[in-house]
Amino acid sequence: SQQGEEDPQALSIQEGENATMNCSYKTSINNLQWYRQNSGRGLVHLILIRSNEREKHSGRLRVTLDTSKKSSSLLITASRAADTASYFCATDESGGSYIPTFGRGTSLIVHP
Amino acid sequence: DVKVTQSSRYLVKRTGEKVFLECVQDMDHENMFWYRQDPGLGLRLIYFSYDVKMKEKGDIPEGYSVSREKKERFSLILESASTNQTSMYLCASSPRRTRFTNEQFFGPGTRLTVL
Repeated sequence: SQQGEEDPQALSIQEGENATMNCSYKTSINNLQWYRQNSGRGLVHLILIRSNEREKHSGRLRVTLDTSKKSSSLLITASRAADTASYFCATDESGGSYIPTFGRGTSLIVHP
Repeated sequence: DVKVTQSSRYLVKRTGEKVFLECVQDMDHENMFWYRQDPGLGLRLIYFSYDVKMKEKGDIPEGYSVSREKKERFSLILESASTNQTSMYLCASSPRRTRFTNEQFFGPGTRLTVL
């Protein structure tokens, strides 16, 4: 079963702009993770936010979590062409097996 | 630097063939996973393993089996490949599961085409 759903499915922006992607999920979670996938490659872990955290930063990445709305957002500031990739959220259900369940992803294109 | 390797980046097989996809991790992780990724469907879990010789079904195990004889190696087996198994296969590993540290490390993927 798929827990997280990203929105939008696709996003196209110019270099230097900010990119925001959202993830909604259905049940209570232990944590939420964001991953990046460059074309035809494996996924790379970006950031993990725990259910008792509201915001987390890593370099140009900012992740927020609103457990009351069951949603998260990933903000990439001052985007670069190298940020072009697909971005996935993965949720870990409370009381579950600690195995993250991935959404379908947001495809981001950053034009130079 | 942590590393998950997969035996092939691209593979072409015929319908009915037995196919082995190998995955090796050098991080001494307890958990290993096999996913398939298809356009519009995201990642779907096929099988996972918590320990040597342990295996558990994921969301879509039909048509697949797995083997974990050594901690570092997790193999995915297609007993009789079919065209609907054409997909990108991703292997991942993670340390012993806990509530807050279940980050997964992925291999580069194997793109399998079944003709």
